[in-house]
Amino acid sequence: AQKITQTQPGMFVQEKEAVTLDCTYDTSDQSYGLFWYKQPSSGEMIFLIYQGSYDEQNATEGRYSLNFQKARKSANLVISASQLGDSAMYFCAMRGSKGTGNQFYFGTGTSLTVIP
Amino acid sequence: EAGVAQSPRYKIIEKRQSVAFWCNPISGHATLYWYQQILGQGPKLLIQFQNNGVVDDSQLPKDRFSAERLKGVDSTLKIQPAKLEDSAVYLCASSLSSSGSLPGELFFGEGSRLTVL
Repeated sequence: AQKITQTQPGMFVQEKEAVTLDCTYDTSDQSYGLFWYKQPSSGEMIFLIYQGSYDEQNATEGRYSLNFQKARKSANLVISASQLGDSAMYFCAMRGSKGTGNQFYFGTGTSLTVIP
Repeated sequence: EAGVAQSPRYKIIEKRQSVAFWCNPISGHATLYWYQQILGQGPKLLIQFQNNGVVDDSQLPKDRFSAERLKGVDSTLKIQPAKLEDSAVYLCASSLSSSGSLPGELFFGEGSRLTVL
């Protein structure tokens, strides 16, 4: 069974500082994808970054980077130069493969608060 | 490009009543997902469609929840009868790729917030 674990219910970071949000996963699939989504208080889910299981380089998207350690089954999100608008819930998700489709599983989320 | 459309945005019902949510995915997206997100929790997959076939409904409470995706486009999620614990946001998402090496990220609608009194 697929499982995503986010152990940090809440995190605080000073504006302009970097922060790391933890994510570990468990899967028996050889091919899978790891995603991070941001959910502001308005409720929409915003896709941030993707890492494929066979990608050797860590993914980066602007101020977001994904620290992928396959052997440890971790996919931590690093946000550099935090901004006040980064305050939101962050969800780690995994796309596995089962049958003919993709199953997307989400973690419980981390609430990030950026302090001015 | 139009995003994932959901309606209604908000719904308040009494327990034991029924409710239906509608979702129109992004054009061309073969895979459609319904998630339940209870306040303070992560989204929980209820059902996944590939075109108009069900891929995974293992976490759908089938005694009260039903979903269909006729013609492989729009989808409807129904709850009958509703319980207090069904109070949640129901998120619809769609994805372009069904398998393989493409990222296949999910595109979400704004959600339908259900309150059961």
